[in-house]
Amino acid sequence: DIQMTQSPSALSASVGDRITITCRASQNITSYLNWYQQKPGKAPKLLIYTASSLQSGVPSRFSGSGSGTDFTLTISSLQPDDFATYYCQQSYNPPRDFGQGTKVEIK
Amino acid sequence: EVQLVESGGGLVQPGGSLGLSCAASGFIFSSYSMNWVRQAPGKGLEWVSYISTISSTIYYADSVKGRFTISRDNAKNSLYLQMNSLRAEDTAVYYCARVGWFGESNYWGQGILVTVSS
Repeated sequence: DIQMTQSPSALSASVGDRITITCRASQNITSYLNWYQQKPGKAPKLLIYTASSLQSGVPSRFSGSGSGTDFTLTISSLQPDDFATYYCQQSYNPPRDFGQGTKVEIK
Repeated sequence: EVQLVESGGGLVQPGGSLGLSCAASGFIFSSYSMNWVRQAPGKGLEWVSYISTISSTIYYADSVKGRFTISRDNAKNSLYLQMNSLRAEDTAVYYCARVGWFGESNYWGQGILVTVSS
């Protein structure tokens, strides 16, 4: 099975900050990497698919990069609505596991 | 508008069974593969199961293999998850999700709580 490891597990940042979350796969998943945002009590929301494709309706301050085993999610200028937990997920092979999540909190 | 609505959750005793349903609308259900994903209280997301458009390909997480069965009825625009031999560790909010071209879950239901407890 492919293991997905996110870092950091949590971070504190201020409105306007640029933040980066990383996700590492235990083997090559080419570009089959997705990013989700989840707020408390809500369903996850797809942000990025195939590592760098922005889902329709998602603000352009979100971007994704990487291929193979190393991936990043960047928020260029953190907004109040962005404080949430972020998950990566590989869709290369089953089981289509998620990373453990990164909680973005207000500093 | 794409809508996914889960139902069938509730409280069940360890060793018991429960069936979840997911009613789909706003898109051509038979054209999309579907996922079940769960989230235990205070924990992260766990992918549970996948079914292709005509049910020809099905996958399960190791944690539920042999106990859970995914199925769909394209005529009824519905997805199902039959859960048997339930354990306390199956307690979670269960989400159904539509699968996109690259395996991403691009639309999600609101989730339904399953509690396994005596």
